[in-house]
Amino acid sequence: EIVLTQSPATLSLSPGERATLSCRASQSVDRYLAWYQQKPGQAPRLVIYDASNRATGIPARFSGSGSGTDFTLTISSLEPEDFAVYYCQQRSNWPLTFGGGTKVEIK
Amino acid sequence: QVQLVESGGGVVQPGRSLRLSCAASGFTFSSYGMHWVRQAPGKGLEWVAVIWYDGSKEHYAESVKGRFTISRDNFKNTVNLQMNSLRAEDTAVYYCAKEGQWLAPYFDYWGQGALLTVSS
Repeated sequence: EIVLTQSPATLSLSPGERATLSCRASQSVDRYLAWYQQKPGQAPRLVIYDASNRATGIPARFSGSGSGTDFTLTISSLEPEDFAVYYCQQRSNWPLTFGGGTKVEIK
Repeated sequence: QVQLVESGGGVVQPGRSLRLSCAASGFTFSSYGMHWVRQAPGKGLEWVAVIWYDGSKEHYAESVKGRFTISRDNFKNTVNLQMNSLRAEDTAVYYCAKEGQWLAPYFDYWGQGALLTVSS
């Protein structure tokens, strides 16, 4: 099973700041990595798929990069609605796996 | 618009069974794989199971293999999760999720979730 390790666990930032979230895979997943945003009491929402493709309706301040084992989700300038938990997920191998999440909180 | 609506959650005793259902609408259901993903209280996401668009294949997480069975009805646009021999650690919100592209298992739409509590 591919293990995804997200860091940091918590990111404390102010609105307007840049957020950089990391996801590292235990073996190569090529570019088959997605990112999701989840707010309390809500279902996850797809943000990025296949490493760098923004999902429908996702603002341009969200960007994804990486390949192989190291991936990054960047939020260029945090808006109040961006404070949430973010999960990465690989679709390279079965079973599908998720990272443990990074909470982006207001500083 | 795409809608996924789960039903069937509740409280069940350890060792008992329960079936979750997910009613889909707003897309060509028979063209997409469908998944169940769960989230224990206060924890992260855990993928549970997938069924291929045509029902020809299934995969399961090791934690549920042999106890859970996923199925679908492409006429009724529903996907089900039969859960047997339930354990306390199966307590979670169960989400039904649609694949983003044909045979590409990332999830572009999710249901609102169904809460399963396994407790005596």
